[in-house]
Amino acid sequence: EEQLVESGGGLVKPGGSLRLSCAASGFSLSGYSAIWVRQAPGKGLEWVSSIVAGNDNIYYADSVTGRFTISRDNAKNSLYLQMNSLRVEDTAVYYCARDGGGGTLFDRWGQGTLVTVSS
Amino acid sequence: QSVLTQPPSVSAASGQKVTISCSGGRYNIGSNYVSWYQILPGTAPKLLIYYNNKRPSGIPDRFSGSKSGTSATLGITGLQTGDEADYYCGTWDGSLRVGVFGGGTKVTVL
Repeated sequence: EEQLVESGGGLVKPGGSLRLSCAASGFSLSGYSAIWVRQAPGKGLEWVSSIVAGNDNIYYADSVTGRFTISRDNAKNSLYLQMNSLRVEDTAVYYCARDGGGGTLFDRWGQGTLVTVSS
Repeated sequence: QSVLTQPPSVSAASGQKVTISCSGGRYNIGSNYVSWYQILPGTAPKLLIYYNNKRPSGIPDRFSGSKSGTSATLGITGLQTGDEADYYCGTWDGSLRVGVFGGGTKVTVL
């Protein structure tokens, strides 16, 4: 079964850092582009970042540019999101997802990990 | 303010049909495929429609998608209580070079 499992969420103070992980199983993540999406409490989905298969081109939402870094480790079949200089408004459930089609087809999702930024 | 515009809510009686619109622009919906996602309470997003009108295996044909110009539409026929969820459209914006989602539409079965 193809699965994605996120980990690394938790409570952090404003200005702090967290590293989210997304472990894939049942398929090789290296063959796909992948994304991070978040959903703040009571809000809608927000695309955060993507990494493209093959060329590893990387894109970020303006709201996280310069603070978040997406990466992958093909040997560990995993995707990561390093989050620095966290703000209260970064509080959200963070999902990783497999991009099966050019940035427009997210066909496998993790269960999400909650990041809470609060003093 | 989302790049893609959806109505906040739609509702209909059980067994009836609802449609959800998703309005964008030239560089997102107008230039790229649209997908639709369903979020049931307490669960992760689930792909419902991709490439404007294709259904992944396991998605019933009560769900349909279409696109015309810079707008897309999700249709749900034979509405069931289990369809009560939030629905989001999504695509890529080639000008902004970011993924974009609509603000989401809550479907209520009366």
